[in-house]
Amino acid sequence: AQSVTQLDSQVPVFEEAPVELRCNYSSSVSVYLFWYVQYPNQGLQLLLKYLSGSTLVKGINGFEAEFNKSQTSFHLRKPSVHISDTAEYFCAVMRQGGSEKLVFGKGTKLTVNP
Amino acid sequence: EPEVTQTPSHQVTQMGQEVILRCVPISNHLYFYWYRQILGQKVEFLVSFYNNEISEKSEIFDDQFSVERPDGSNFTLKIRSTKLEDSAMYFCASTLQGYTEAFFGQGTRLTVV
Repeated sequence: AQSVTQLDSQVPVFEEAPVELRCNYSSSVSVYLFWYVQYPNQGLQLLLKYLSGSTLVKGINGFEAEFNKSQTSFHLRKPSVHISDTAEYFCAVMRQGGSEKLVFGKGTKLTVNP
Repeated sequence: EPEVTQTPSHQVTQMGQEVILRCVPISNHLYFYWYRQILGQKVEFLVSFYNNEISEKSEIFDDQFSVERPDGSNFTLKIRSTKLEDSAMYFCASTLQGYTEAFFGQGTRLTVV
């Protein structure tokens, strides 16, 4: 079975500051990795995904994430955040070659303050 | 841009009543899913549906739950006899292939009273 741990439930930052949202996973088999964002009163939207290849993946809205297999991590970063980045961010994994279900972490609420 | 639509956005029902949550997945997608999120908890997988049958279901998806694709466009989740603990946000999702991007709907907030 797979599991995902998002170490921070809430992250407050000031506008234009860098941010890192942490995600660690546990799996006995290889996985695909995803970050989703949920803006208030909206559904989940894919930010970026890692399927294979380069361990640094770039997504929408200036976000990027780095897959680290040895540390089983997939941390999300943005060098300079905007007020509009205020949202809940979910890390998720999917087992390769098996079930297509996503296993989510508990989410990190990012609040960007002026 | 294609999107997954869910109706209603909010439903209040009495304990023991049946509810049907509706979803219209993206038209050319082949895999369909229901997830739920109890307030303050993580998003949990309920069921996946492919080729007109359930491909996987979680322990949560017991005999009180069922899914159906009654026509070429709708995908429904039925809860036969709702319990208080069924109160949650229910998300529908669809993908073109199993491992590609899952597109989620805006969710239906179900409140059981």
